[in-house]
Amino acid sequence: EAGVAQSPRYKIIEKRQSVAFWCNPISGHATLYWYQQILGQGPKLLIQFQNNGVVDDSQLPKDRFSAERLKGVDSTLKIQPAKLEDSAVYLCASTHPIGHPNTGELFFGEGSRLTVL
Amino acid sequence: DAKTTQPTSMDCAEGRAANLPCNHSTISGNEYVYWYRQIHSQGPQYIIHGLKNNETNEMASLIITEDRKSSTLILPHATLRDTAVYYCIVENTGTASKLTFGTGTRLQVTL
Repeated sequence: EAGVAQSPRYKIIEKRQSVAFWCNPISGHATLYWYQQILGQGPKLLIQFQNNGVVDDSQLPKDRFSAERLKGVDSTLKIQPAKLEDSAVYLCASTHPIGHPNTGELFFGEGSRLTVL
Repeated sequence: DAKTTQPTSMDCAEGRAANLPCNHSTISGNEYVYWYRQIHSQGPQYIIHGLKNNETNEMASLIITEDRKSSTLILPHATLRDTAVYYCIVENTGTASKLTFGTGTRLQVTL
């Protein structure tokens, strides 16, 4: 079974530039998450999708971050303009639809490491 | 607000059992205990979860106290590849799963 695919693995940009990360979840997983992990901290949820609808984006800094999952499969997370404090690993995860008995088992990708200079 | 408390770091000799504690004194009746681990430069990996009963799978065992206020993750024979950060998470995943990670326990397995 293919895992969660993310790209790019690494990205270096200057502040005020823009960047986009892509995620392809495990086939059949209706729920998709984007987490931000700053060095030395645990992952922090940014946004959760169920199919192509947003379930929770309460911690997404909407003035600069946006995310979409137009067809309910793959997803893109964009940052524009980037700030120094956005340097982090951006993790995508997927799991079964809401109501499935094991929705707490999230499958994570390897992450996209962003460095903002 | 953190729902769990874990030690910052622990050491374990290779081949011995690693016992990782977690306190969750405010856990409610419909909340599960989840354990994940994160090996360096990888995404977190699900290990095990439980509600009330002890659980065992091919990776680990989860012991939950009768009052459910604490739990212990047991890796029966730790290897160097078990060196990672281990996260204990308490969450009601019956509706919309939204796992909230703390800072976890950094387990170092040594020769």
